[in-house]
Amino acid sequence: EIVMTQSPATLSVSPGERATLSCRASQSVNSNLAWYQQKPGQAPRLLIYGASTRATAIPARFSGSASGTEFTLTISSLQSEDFAVYYCQQYAHWPLTFGGGTKVEIK
Amino acid sequence: QVQLQESGPGLVKPSETLSLTCAVSDYSISSGYYWGWIRQPPGKGLEWLGSIYHSGTTYYNPSLKTPVTISLDSSKNQFSLKLTSVTAADTAVYFCARQGVNHYGSGLNFDYWGQGTLVTVSS
Repeated sequence: EIVMTQSPATLSVSPGERATLSCRASQSVNSNLAWYQQKPGQAPRLLIYGASTRATAIPARFSGSASGTEFTLTISSLQSEDFAVYYCQQYAHWPLTFGGGTKVEIK
Repeated sequence: QVQLQESGPGLVKPSETLSLTCAVSDYSISSGYYWGWIRQPPGKGLEWLGSIYHSGTTYYNPSLKTPVTISLDSSKNQFSLKLTSVTAADTAVYFCARQGVNHYGSGLNFDYWGQGTLVTVSS
């Protein structure tokens, strides 16, 4: 099983600032990685797939990148609606696995 | 716009079977894609339970302590989840979701999700 490790667990950011979230895979998943945003009481929403491709209707302030087994989700200028929990997920190998999540909170 | 809706009992007794159904609208599940179940214990992260291909091929999470079965009912355009002999550790919000597939037939990310349904395991 591929273990996905997200850091930090909590990120305190002021509105308008940049947020950088990390996700590390325990072995190669190539670009088979997705990022999701989840708000309280809601289902996760797909943000990024293929490590760097934005899903439909996702604003350009969200971007994804990869370097080996390290993946990064960057939110260039945090808006009030971006404060949420973010999860990465690998789909290179069964079983599918999610990271533990990063909560982005208002500083 | 594909829509998914979970349904089933909100309370299940320990050692009994948890059964949930996911009704899919605006897309025929027999046409393609994988269809999956993911759960989230209160205050915790996401855990993939299993996925079923439109052909009926299934993949399950081997880390689960509770036996899982996922099935398709194309006539009703829905798919189902069964967990047998549940315990309190199976208390969670259960989501169903559509999972993409590449040209090799491998599963991809989840693009459409249901709103989730809370299932509590308690006597």
